[in-house]
Amino acid sequence: EVQLVESGGGLVKPGGSLRLSCAASGFTFSSYSINWVRQAPGKGLEWVSSISSSGSYIYYADLVKGRFTISRDNAKNSLYLQMNSLRAEDTAVYYCARHRTGTYYFDYWGQGTLVTVSS
Amino acid sequence: DIQMTQSPSSVSASVGDRVTITCRASQGISWFAWYQQKPGKAPNLLIYDASSLQSGVPSRFSGSGSGTDFTLTISSLQTEDFATYYCQQANSFPLTFGGGTKVEIK
Repeated sequence: EVQLVESGGGLVKPGGSLRLSCAASGFTFSSYSINWVRQAPGKGLEWVSSISSSGSYIYYADLVKGRFTISRDNAKNSLYLQMNSLRAEDTAVYYCARHRTGTYYFDYWGQGTLVTVSS
Repeated sequence: DIQMTQSPSSVSASVGDRVTITCRASQGISWFAWYQQKPGKAPNLLIYDASSLQSGVPSRFSGSGSGTDFTLTISSLQTEDFATYYCQQANSFPLTFGGGTKVEIK
């Protein structure tokens, strides 16, 4: 069974940093592109970042470019999101989501981890 | 960036009703999907390539459209279908979603 489990969320002050993790199981992690998608409270879905299977290709939404860094460790079946210079508007549930093979569709999602940026 | 506009933003319907949701892309796209999200849960892929049903999704869900205009139809609404539905363009980065359509009980 494919599983994606996020962790690392919590309360952080504006300007602070946080590192999210996503542990994958049930599939060959090193063969799939993985993403971070977020959802602010009561709002819609917003794609944040994507990393290819080998880590060679990385993409960011403009709103987080220069502040967030996506990375992966295929030996540990893990995805990460380093978030710096956090703002109130980064408050959201952050999901990791797998790309369907050869496409940019999201076929499996984790349960999400809540990041709250507040003083 | 490709903008995705969904309508309506909400719809009230009864069990057994036929429900149609539309999504318009700001430019022509070839790769398009629909997701269902229930409160407190992660989204679930329903339809990809505009009209292909994801494995395990009931056949009462169907998708159609091409280019800039796409439609999700639920042929006979069931209790478990009350949720929020999102469209997504999968053509190019940044990947973008529509604003969502909440299907509520009438």
